[in-house]
Amino acid sequence: GESVGLHLPTLSVQEGDNSIINCAYSNSASDYFIWYKQESGKGPQFIIDIRSNMDKRQGQRVTVLLNKTVKHLSLQIAATQPGDSAVYFCAERPGYSSASKIIFGSGTRLSIRP
Amino acid sequence: DAGVIQSPRHEVTEMGQEVTLRCKPISGHDYLFWYRQTMMRGLELLIYFNNNVPIDDSGMPEDRFSAKMPNASFSTLKIQPSEPRDSAVYFCASTLDGQPQHFGDGTRLSIL
Repeated sequence: GESVGLHLPTLSVQEGDNSIINCAYSNSASDYFIWYKQESGKGPQFIIDIRSNMDKRQGQRVTVLLNKTVKHLSLQIAATQPGDSAVYFCAERPGYSSASKIIFGSGTRLSIRP
Repeated sequence: DAGVIQSPRHEVTEMGQEVTLRCKPISGHDYLFWYRQTMMRGLELLIYFNNNVPIDDSGMPEDRFSAKMPNASFSTLKIQPSEPRDSAVYFCASTLDGQPQHFGDGTRLSIL
């Protein structure tokens, strides 16, 4: 069946360095992609999203890249800080409407070395 | 903005008991979602509502699970009778059409 997966289950990064979290998706019909951050004991928190008609979108310290040719999504975090420690989920939705179900990946844990 | 509010934050009960989880979505949002998160299965969609009407409950595991949304500001997820395998973190999320979902902080449910 269709699925969203992550290449790396854990990622350790030096504080101040850039982090890159990767995600592969298999549903070529997916039209909308989202990155969520989940801290311990909390719910997933929206970080950034991108529609399939774009290949790059930037936020504050974060950038999402979408490569539809190879069905790959990545989240780049600039100047990683201790507060960035969390599990990061990519998610896809086969349509922009909320009536389309979001499929979540398994998550990548990001840990920050001091 | 108070965000999505869930209660209780933690629930520990014995198997066979009825469990009711509660959710208050963000005011004005017209979609409400219930998810379950476990280490083994990750984040799974159980059911979602649009304008208080259940749209898709295909993710509800069994008849022991039921969800209601009597009005735009309140929803419940009920498990009766509960079983140990129902132990998980249950999340509620809400959104406006086309917008990202906003999640509550979840209810950690333990069935003994």
